[in-house]
Amino acid sequence: DIQMTQSPSTLSASVGDRVTITCRASQSVSDWLAWYQQKPGKAPKVLIYKVSTLENGVPSRFSGSGSGTEFTLTISSLQPDDFATYFCQQYYDYSEWTFGQGTKVEIK
Amino acid sequence: EVELEESGGGLVQPGGSRRLSCAASGFRFRSYSMNWVRQAPGKGLEWLAFISSTSNTIHYADSVKGRFTISRDNAQNSLFLQMSSLRDDDTALYYCARLGNRAFDAFDIWGQGTMVTVSS
Repeated sequence: DIQMTQSPSTLSASVGDRVTITCRASQSVSDWLAWYQQKPGKAPKVLIYKVSTLENGVPSRFSGSGSGTEFTLTISSLQPDDFATYFCQQYYDYSEWTFGQGTKVEIK
Repeated sequence: EVELEESGGGLVQPGGSRRLSCAASGFRFRSYSMNWVRQAPGKGLEWLAFISSTSNTIHYADSVKGRFTISRDNAQNSLFLQMSSLRDDDTALYYCARLGNRAFDAFDIWGQGTMVTVSS
C-alpha cells in the first residue's frame, strides 16, 4: 500500500503570506496526485489534480508541483478564505486511493 | 445543479449492519465511477471503496474488505454501501464522491456526508 505523509501537520500564517505544504509518497505515484481543501463542517473540495492542474473556479493563487514521490501545494498570497485543512491524495493505479493526514492552516 | 446526497446514517450497535445510500442528481450518473470515503471525528479522510460506472470493477480498502459492499443502481441514480460487522472504529462521517471523467481526474463532487455512530 502507498502511504502519503504531509508536512507540516499545522501551519500558522498571516494573510498575504506565501504558504507551502509538502506531501511525500512511500513510492512513486507518477502524476496521480490531487489536493483538497476542507473547511469545518463541510465536505472536501478538490483544488488541484494531476499534480498541477487547477480545478475549474479555483483561484490562481493556488498551485501544485512535484513528481514521483514529493509534491507541494503553494498558496502564493494567503487569503482569509484559505484558512482550512488541506489533504493530498494519490491514485496511482486507480485501485487504491490514499490521503495524507492533512495540514491545518491557522491564523497566526 | 450537480449534487450528491447521502442518507442512512445513525446509531448502530457493535456487530450490527447498516446500509448507506447516495442519491445523485444533475449529471449522467451512469457515466461516472463512484467512491465512498469516511472521516472519523476530528480525523483525516479515508477512502473505502470504488465502483466503476458499469459495476464491472470494484475495489476496497483493506480496513473494510469483507465487511463492506459497494453497489449502485444506475436506473435509480443511486450508490450504496452495505456495512456489516460494524466496530467502534467505524464511527465516522461517510461521504460519497464522484470520480471525474477527465484524464488523471480526482474526486470532483462530494456529498455532505451521513454520520454513522457505532456504540452500545
